[in-house]
Amino acid sequence: QVQLQESGPGLVKPSQTLSLTCTVSGGSITSGYFYWSWIRQPAGKGLEWIGRFYASGSPYYNPSLRGRVSISGDTSKNQFSLNLTSVTAADTAVYYCARRTDVHDAFDVWGHGTMVTVSS
Amino acid sequence: IQLTQSPSSLSASVGDRVTLTCRASQGISSSLAWYQQKPGKAPKLLIYDASSSISGVPSRFSGSGSGTDFTLTISSLQPEDFATYYCQQFNSYPITFGQGTRLEIK
Repeated sequence: QVQLQESGPGLVKPSQTLSLTCTVSGGSITSGYFYWSWIRQPAGKGLEWIGRFYASGSPYYNPSLRGRVSISGDTSKNQFSLNLTSVTAADTAVYYCARRTDVHDAFDVWGHGTMVTVSS
Repeated sequence: IQLTQSPSSLSASVGDRVTLTCRASQGISSSLAWYQQKPGKAPKLLIYDASSSISGVPSRFSGSGSGTDFTLTISSLQPEDFATYYCQQFNSYPITFGQGTRLEIK
């Protein structure tokens, strides 16, 4: 059974870079059937898709993040990572990694989420 | 593509039949999923392709619709169903979610 686990600092200073990693177990990030995304949720608010890594294609990002985001994969560690630059308090949220499949065309597996606070 | 869910919140009783609505700002065929989220937990996939059920999800959950108008129906509310529900579209990037419907106990 596939499991996803987010990891990274829980506190980031304003203007710095937020970096998170999602470790995938029970499945390979190189499979062409799966797309690997980052999604965030500010406290008490809704879900925002950040972007996705796909081993067989180019990444896609949400234009709302105005070029601050990059997502990459490390196939040797079966991980994919999020970098978000020039963070502000508005980037404070729970960050989830999730898997999308061609079979369901939906996010069928999610990590537990990790809280990131942007504060000095 | 903007997704608008209604109502934003809903109070209902155990045993009630409830219908949640999601409207897309443009046609998305059947590229819509529904998720349930409980406090402090990650969302859980309930429905994909607008009306297809996920294995292990109770049969009281059903989805319908295509184009711009979609519904999620819970045929007989159970205590564990009180949560927030989100719709999401995959028709085009960026992937977007509705703002959620919070289902509360009356």
